[in-house]
Amino acid sequence: EIQLQESGPGLVKPSQSLSLTCSVTGYTITSGYDWSWIRKFPGNKMEWMGYISYSGSTNYNPSLKSRISITRDTSKNQFFLQLNSVTTEDTATYYCAHVYYGLDYWGQGVMVTVSS
Amino acid sequence: DIQMTQSPASLSASLEEIVTITCQASQDIGNWLSWYQQKPGKSPQLLIYGATSLADGVPSRFSGSRSGTQYSLKISRLQVEDIGIYYCLQAYSAPYTFGAGTKLELK
Repeated sequence: EIQLQESGPGLVKPSQSLSLTCSVTGYTITSGYDWSWIRKFPGNKMEWMGYISYSGSTNYNPSLKSRISITRDTSKNQFFLQLNSVTTEDTATYYCAHVYYGLDYWGQGVMVTVSS
Repeated sequence: DIQMTQSPASLSASLEEIVTITCQASQDIGNWLSWYQQKPGKSPQLLIYGATSLADGVPSRFSGSRSGTQYSLKISRLQVEDIGIYYCLQAYSAPYTFGAGTKLELK
């Protein structure tokens, strides 16, 4: 079974970069499908942030403009989220997920607070 | 972006009651619609994909339907463990977009 686990700092200062890792077990991320980042804001709004495909191509939510980057390390079977120039509005729980016809496997989520 | 208008925002229902949640897409998304349940402190769980297909391990009291650009999630007999927040998601075109969520509580 596919398992995903997010890791990264829980506190980031405004204007700095948020960097998270999603470690995948049970499936090789280069074998197929897309691998996505999603976040849930306080108040329950959910936002799809983007994905990296098995081939390495990426697709980002335009709302994040040029602040977002999703990359991967195939040797470690991990993919990463970097979000630059964060503000308090980026405070959220961040999830990584496997994309098939839906988001069928999710990590447990990591809460990130942006605060000085 | 495709807008997903989800209703109701909150819902209070009794055990064994039939519950229906709807999402209206702002344009045609075909069957690229999935439903999720999120319980407190847990990750979202896929319930329905392809608008009508039940995900593995999901109880058969959950079902999805489509009428044009309106999508519905039905819980045929509400159980205690069904309490949580429900979301729809369109993955027809990027950026994928979620509905605003429906908070389901027990009456």
